[in-house]
Amino acid sequence: RKEVEQDPGPFNVPEGATVAFNCTYSNSASQSFFWYRQDCRKEPKLLMSVYSSGNEDGRFTAQLNRASQYISLLIRDSKLSDSATYLCVVNSAGYALNFGKGTSLLVTP
Amino acid sequence: EAQVTQNPRYLITVTGKKLTVTCSQNMNHEYMSWYRQDPGLGLRQIYYSMNVEVTDKGDVPEGYKVSRKEKRNFPLILESPSPNQTSLYFCASSSLGVGSINQPQHFGDGTRLSIL
Repeated sequence: RKEVEQDPGPFNVPEGATVAFNCTYSNSASQSFFWYRQDCRKEPKLLMSVYSSGNEDGRFTAQLNRASQYISLLIRDSKLSDSATYLCVVNSAGYALNFGKGTSLLVTP
Repeated sequence: EAQVTQNPRYLITVTGKKLTVTCSQNMNHEYMSWYRQDPGLGLRQIYYSMNVEVTDKGDVPEGYKVSRKEKRNFPLILESPSPNQTSLYFCASSSLGVGSINQPQHFGDGTRLSIL
């Protein structure tokens, strides 16, 4: 089983829609969780860290479910500019980091 | 301006010719890391470093070397490059949290490497 797994998509949604991505991880000892976005072959940029109690940043909400070992990202009121690949990142042993392969989102007019 | 700087941005070279990709950060970060990104495989960690003279293997260290002689620099060395190392490479840095907690990373712009 891969350390971090994501549905690659693509998710095609209309502007204004709500969309959710999940990401599962295999290491129950993982402590650090992040969502990054990456635009076509550019550098990944931090979207948000994911905290145990869940956290929200504007239209974005991240949740962590330790029991089921997954994190989620919810995007409300999708904008055209949200079109990107969303990367789930989880630490493994110590400070090593594992990236999911990414979920592609396309928001259409 | 806080940044991670990689050089070169693009490089085409031939099999077996040693090359170094430099990475420098100006944020006094303890943690630095190298990744390669390939279609269908996502980002994979090559090496990481938690401080000067402390380096660890990531998922795909074979064929690469790193060094961390100064806090700000973390060069990636390909002693004898091969075509399967053709990829997009990213360097990243972050501060370190307490108790195995990674902090969000800042990424460089990437280096497109082609080995013929």
